[in-house]
Amino acid sequence: DSGVTQTPKHLITATGQRVTLRCSPRSGDLSVYWYQQSLDQGLQFLIQYYNGEERAKGNILERFSAQQFPDLHSELNLSSLELGDSALYFCASSVEGTQSGGEQFFGPGTRLTVL
Amino acid sequence: GQNIDQPTEMTATEGAIVQINCTYQTSGFNGLFWYQQHAGEAPTFLSYNVLDGLEEKGRFSSFLSRSKGYSYLLLKELQMKDSASYLCAVYNTDKLIFGTGTRLQVFP
Repeated sequence: DSGVTQTPKHLITATGQRVTLRCSPRSGDLSVYWYQQSLDQGLQFLIQYYNGEERAKGNILERFSAQQFPDLHSELNLSSLELGDSALYFCASSVEGTQSGGEQFFGPGTRLTVL
Repeated sequence: GQNIDQPTEMTATEGAIVQINCTYQTSGFNGLFWYQQHAGEAPTFLSYNVLDGLEEKGRFSSFLSRSKGYSYLLLKELQMKDSASYLCAVYNTDKLIFGTGTRLQVFP
């Protein structure tokens, strides 16, 4: 158990809908990262927050947005869902930033299925 | 552009040694990570290299050559539970870029 929690574990929804994925980092970790992992692709970095502020952005679609709240939990919002958005979404956290060699601890993931 | 290459699949026998290679071409480099991921589960950290050379950690070792854009993960005394995907990831300025991973199958 990494100490990172994600809810829900599974999510099934329809095209065009909007969902929110939630992540609570390990106690003391200030950075939260979101990743998408599709069946035929590796982990794709989406976005990073550090202590409430956006720190880095990867290949995140405009239909997706995220935020980190004062209690450091984070939410990833996915809207106008398409079939291709079906994937495992991981949240990870680290004490500071990975630039200092900080290990990222991954949550168990949310499996999103868009029908 | 950013490019990280790993073999897609490898097989090995229990008790053997296997080396998983990773080559990278990225616009920046601040370190290289190896993660292990069992099917359907979260990745777990194995190693981090920022300087050239070998880092040993129990049965697992990781090597880095920055001038060659090359790293490898060495797994010794393979066990059945080592069957998993191994992800090479480069930390580039402000983000971690993952390769597509190498699926390792260990046979008895």
